[in-house]
Amino acid sequence: QKEVEQDPGPLSVPEGAIVSLNCTYSNSAFQYFMWYRQYSRKGPELLMYTYSSGNKEDGRFTAQVDKSSKYISLFIRDSQPSDSATYLCAMVYGNNRLAFGKGNQVVVIP
Amino acid sequence: EPEVTQTPSHQVTQMGQEVILRCVPISNHLYFYWYRQILGQKVEFLVSFYNNEISEKSEIFDDQFSVERPDGSNFTLKIRSTKLEDSAMYFCASRKREGPNEQFFGPGTRLTVL
Repeated sequence: QKEVEQDPGPLSVPEGAIVSLNCTYSNSAFQYFMWYRQYSRKGPELLMYTYSSGNKEDGRFTAQVDKSSKYISLFIRDSQPSDSATYLCAMVYGNNRLAFGKGNQVVVIP
Repeated sequence: EPEVTQTPSHQVTQMGQEVILRCVPISNHLYFYWYRQILGQKVEFLVSFYNNEISEKSEIFDDQFSVERPDGSNFTLKIRSTKLEDSAMYFCASRKREGPNEQFFGPGTRLTVL
């Protein structure tokens, strides 16, 4: 299932650094683009969603979508140890089903 | 803050047995989903449910699986005759309405088939 690709490699950053995550996709039918955060032993939690190309900001988080390149990104500014989690990109298609990327484990080191 | 709950948190079963995974969606939500995540793999869509019927299902959701909303609060996933490859985390999710797809996920049930 290669519709959504997310390099699953773990990412360790020092506290205060910018975290940059991205996903690529192949299906032009995707309607909405989302980022979920998943803490250990918890279900995914919606962080941000957008449906158009461009940037969307919410506090320290910025979601970026480039539909022409089929590429989405999530930036976390001033990263905190509490941001340590797995980040999943997800895309909506069909009857509101989600297609997920594999997830990036992020560790913010104090 | 209302949340989706799932029981049990961990279920161990023998191959060939039937299991029922239970979910209580957020009370005013109308759309319900099951996803699964095999260890090390992506979260995968299984089925969506609205107005007491399946609205969409994936190729994974074959005759071995069924879903039910037996009362006003529970949403269940039944797996008949479990196989080793059914071992996974199973997540329930619910959504309030049409529009942006804000699906709220439960904490998951870890199913281990021996």
